[in-house]
Amino acid sequence: GESVGLHLPTLSVQEGDNSIINCAYSNSASDYFIWYKQESGKGPQFIIDIRSNMDKRQGQRVTVLLNKTVKHLSLQIAATQPGDSAVYFCAENEAGGFKTIFGAGTRLFVKA
Amino acid sequence: EAEVAQSPRYKITEKSQAVAFWCDPISGHATLYWYRQILGQGPELLVQFQDESVVDDSQLPKDRFSAERLKGVDSTLKIQPAELGDSAMYLCASSLGDRGPYEQYFGPGTRLTVT
Repeated sequence: GESVGLHLPTLSVQEGDNSIINCAYSNSASDYFIWYKQESGKGPQFIIDIRSNMDKRQGQRVTVLLNKTVKHLSLQIAATQPGDSAVYFCAENEAGGFKTIFGAGTRLFVKA
Repeated sequence: EAEVAQSPRYKITEKSQAVAFWCDPISGHATLYWYRQILGQGPELLVQFQDESVVDDSQLPKDRFSAERLKGVDSTLKIQPAELGDSAMYLCASSLGDRGPYEQYFGPGTRLTVT
């Protein structure tokens, strides 16, 4: 079936470096994508979203890139901080649909 | 800042027992979601409400799970009887509406352990 997945289950970066978290999706009908951050013991927290008519969107220290040709989504975190340590999920919504499908997640470790 | 409230935060129950979780969404949010999250995986939608109506419960194991949102505000998710495989985090989320995808706000979750 259709699914959203992630290339790497864990990512370890040095504090101050940039982080890149990748996500592959398989549903070509998806037109809205979201990144969530989940800290231990908490629910997911919205980070940034992007619609399929865009290929890049920037927020505060975060950038999401969308490549519809290869069905790939990435989250870039600039100047990674210890507080960025968490599990990051990409999620997708199909055009005209309201159901959000989450991927399995990538755990980001930030080394001081 | 408004938050989604859930209770209890933790629940330990024996298999075959009944268990219930409660969620209070952010005021004014018409859409409410219940997700199940197994450790190491992403949340999986169990049921979605628009006001008091169910709009998607295709992944809800209806032989043992039930959910209601009688007045279109708070919601209860029930499991009866609980099975060992039900051990997971149960997350509630809310959003403004279902007219197109909206940012979902999640509660802290209820961690269920079935023994």
